[in-house]
Amino acid sequence: DGGITQSPKYLFRKEGQNVTLSCEQNLNHDAMYWYRQDPGQGLRLIYYSQIVNDFQKGDIAEGYSVSREKKESFPLTVTSAQKNPTAFYLCASTFGGTGELFFGEGSRLTVL
Amino acid sequence: QKEVEQNSGPLSVPEGAIASLNCTYSDRGSQSFFWYRQYSGKSPELIMSIYSNGDKEDGRFTAQLNKASQYVSLLIRDSQPSDSATYLCAVNGNNAGNMLTFGGGTRLMVKP
Repeated sequence: DGGITQSPKYLFRKEGQNVTLSCEQNLNHDAMYWYRQDPGQGLRLIYYSQIVNDFQKGDIAEGYSVSREKKESFPLTVTSAQKNPTAFYLCASTFGGTGELFFGEGSRLTVL
Repeated sequence: QKEVEQNSGPLSVPEGAIASLNCTYSDRGSQSFFWYRQYSGKSPELIMSIYSNGDKEDGRFTAQLNKASQYVSLLIRDSQPSDSATYLCAVNGNNAGNMLTFGGGTRLMVKP
């Protein structure tokens, strides 16, 4: 079955640690996105990539980094520079960069 | 700053009634409009997209777009308890990358 797989689903981190969230898709989609969602809030764009080896900052990129070495994979690193990293992180993809996004199940990060 | 505004709710309707969810947006250049449904603790899923003024119907769902007034709405007929979720409005502007801007979502509660 085609889809987007995010891992881990739940992650606990101590302050000062970097963590990497995995996102893999087998939908053959060109564009991939990372969003952050805080309780009771909408989605805010962290980074996006429309093609391999290229990515762009979204609205809240500070404290985050990404790579896009393969079409299928778009990992997100939450660095220690991100001041308030506790949130629900959502990876999404789309064919041709339309607004019809397919989402993974999300990764819930808690900083202790 | 492009904005998409939704009433956070909760909007409470009895089972079988019509639920009306509204969304306004600030960017007059917006081209595409989407409604996503998000169950508690889950990731969003696309339920409707609309690209031109007027109504678009899909089963019990009707999306309505009025570009002159800069609003988009979602009607859910014969509401069911399983429709209880948060509904996110998303708008795709006429900008580089065609990034979506999400509203904060409206929580809908359908009471049996």
